Amino acid sequence: QSALTQPPSASGSPGQSVTISCTGTSRDIGGYDHVSWYQQYPGKAPKLMIYEVTKRPSGVPDRFSGSKSGNTASLTVSGLQAEDEADYYCSSYAGSNSWVFGGGTKLTVL
Amino acid sequence: EVQLVESGGGLVQREGSLRLSCAVSGFTFSSFWMTWVRQAPGKGLEWVAAIEPGGSEKYYVDSVKGRFTISRDNAQNSLYLQMNSLRADDTAMYYCATVSYWASASWGQGTLVTVSS
Repeated sequence: QSALTQPPSASGSPGQSVTISCTGTSRDIGGYDHVSWYQQYPGKAPKLMIYEVTKRPSGVPDRFSGSKSGNTASLTVSGLQAEDEADYYCSSYAGSNSWVFGGGTKLTVL
Repeated sequence: EVQLVESGGGLVQREGSLRLSCAVSGFTFSSFWMTWVRQAPGKGLEWVAAIEPGGSEKYYVDSVKGRFTISRDNAQNSLYLQMNSLRADDTAMYYCATVSYWASASWGQGTLVTVSS
């Protein structure tokens, strides 16, 4: 049950694209297509942005996209907007009905 | 509209106990896995526990096994987390969430637990 590894910070200018990585192991990310991503503003509850690696819940802009290769998942935010500045967390199912989260990435829109 | 409202947090002494509740509405509670996720001040998210729709199967992160118990009352549309032998590192905001497609889909606003030493 070790945490997934995310870079502590990422940044980009408005209109640019930024990708946040999330590295795990074959026992979590690499073993299941059950990766999800969450957006969290300061003092607020997290919000689901991506589930099952690539799927977006209703209402999430298509500027947000997810992918996975081996033991690493990625979240890409295209056409950055000021409102995208937030903390982002990845998560993966880790087998035996358990889940693991990443340490979080603070996205700054320059 | 899906709503989850946590309650029961507060200040408790080390080795004390606390019971968190999560009242839900707007969906068929008895059909969903549910989970508790916590976030220590200034830190990241940590999965704590999960429970299957019927309430018989329960799963925990290693650090709370034997101390925390997740439960549910489907008739009352409520989820619970009984926390015993609390430690300073249990201090966190505790969120309840629905599980859908292996993700924490809908979240409550959280309830803060502070363990004093």
